[in-house]
Amino acid sequence: KAGVTQTPRYLIKTRGQQVTLSCSPISGHRSVSWYQQTPGQGLQFLFEYFSETQRNKGNFPGRFSGRQFSNSRSEMNVSTLELGDSALYLCASSLLGTEKLFFGSGTQLSVL
Amino acid sequence: DQQVKQNSPSLSVQEGRISILNCDYTNSMFDYFLWYKKYPAEGPTFLISISSIKDKNEDGRFTVFLNKSAKHLSLHIVPSQPGDSAVYFCAASESQGGSEKLVFGKGTKLTVNP
Repeated sequence: KAGVTQTPRYLIKTRGQQVTLSCSPISGHRSVSWYQQTPGQGLQFLFEYFSETQRNKGNFPGRFSGRQFSNSRSEMNVSTLELGDSALYLCASSLLGTEKLFFGSGTQLSVL
Repeated sequence: DQQVKQNSPSLSVQEGRISILNCDYTNSMFDYFLWYKKYPAEGPTFLISISSIKDKNEDGRFTVFLNKSAKHLSLHIVPSQPGDSAVYFCAASESQGGSEKLVFGKGTKLTVNP
């Protein structure tokens, strides 16, 4: 069974631009979560989707948004990029009702 | 307010010895705890978990201990191997309608020396 796939793997943007990251969950997994990892900050929860609905949201500004499609694939968008948005963005999928998350390799975003 | 704390940023042990990674939490509503391992340039990989109804869970060389009264859990790796060198994250969740939100600690970098 294929794992969680995230694209692109690396991304370089400049301040003020916007970016869209993509995530394909494990087949059969309908819950998709997004996390941001920065040096020294661990993994911080961004949001979670299930059946195209956002079920939970972390403490991030409105510039961070996401969506989920009917095939469970998810996208995350960050608008008006800031230098502090440079991070590894991780997507995880899971079977509903289990806390065991399966993570993708992440998208490394660098904002210059 | 950090609800899950891993107070040791790094830990170094000799191959064959025991590695003990610690984690403290403040939210008494947390009822499920997990450990993840992360290698550079890869996503975290699930290692082991424990429910709050247990105080110990074992899987091969890995054992997680939970002390609810102290709000403390630990991961024991015995014996430690060089391939165990990675960043270990402790995570916790509270049952709330099946939401998959996990709260992570900042991680402990384990180095196992040959």
